[in-house]
Amino acid sequence: KQEVTQIPAALSVPEGENLVLNCSFTDSAIYNLQWFRQDPGKGLTSLLLIQSSQREQTSGRLNASLDKSSGRSTLYIAASQPGDSATYLCAVKAAGNKLTFGGGTRVLVKP
Amino acid sequence: NAGVTQTPKFRVLKTGQSMTLLCAQDMNHEYMYWYRQDPGMGLRLIHYSVGEGTTAKGEVPDGYNVSRLKKQNFLLGLESAAPSQTSVYFCATWTGELYEQYFGPGTRLTVT
Repeated sequence: KQEVTQIPAALSVPEGENLVLNCSFTDSAIYNLQWFRQDPGKGLTSLLLIQSSQREQTSGRLNASLDKSSGRSTLYIAASQPGDSATYLCAVKAAGNKLTFGGGTRVLVKP
Repeated sequence: NAGVTQTPKFRVLKTGQSMTLLCAQDMNHEYMYWYRQDPGMGLRLIHYSVGEGTTAKGEVPDGYNVSRLKKQNFLLGLESAAPSQTSVYFCATWTGELYEQYFGPGTRLTVT
C-alpha cells in the first residue's frame, strides 16, 4: 500500500528565505506526483505536476524535483513572501487511477 | 467555464439525517472522486468513478453511497449521518495519466 509522508508538518521562515518542502513515498511505481497549495478554509490549487519520466518541473519561483528510485520529491519556493503562507500537499498517482496524499506541510512566512 | 463546483458549501445535520452532496464539472473529464479531509488524517478517498454509470469504493467508503448517472455530475449520499462524518468533503476530476487532478472548493459538513 502506497504511503506518502511530508516532513516537517509545519515550517516558519522569515520573508525572503527559500522554502524547502519534502515529500516521500514508499512505492516507486508511480505515474506522476502533484504538488498542491491549500489556503485555510479553501480547496486545493494545483501547483506543479511531475510525470514519472521527469526529474523536475518549474513554474515561476517554484521548482519541484522527483527522484523515483529513492521515493522522494522536493518543492523549492524561492524568495518566500507572506503570501506563500499556506498548507502544501503532495500526492502521488499510481495504478488504480487514485491519488494518495501526504499529510501536508503548513508554512508560515513572517514579514 | 466553472471547472468543478460543489453544492452546498456548508451544512449542519443532526445524527440520523440524510443528505446528498453534488459535484458538477464542465471539463468533460471521465474520472471523478470524493475525498474527505480531517485534521491529522489528510485527504482520504471515499468513492470514485471512472466514467458515467460507474462507481468504485475508495479507502473509507462506509456510511456513504455515490451515483454517476450523468458524466458531469457525481453525487455523494449520506443515508444516516453520524458525528464521525463531520468533515470537509472535496470533489475532484481527472482526465488521464498525464494530466493533473482538479478540485472543487469543498463542502463543510457538521453532524451534531
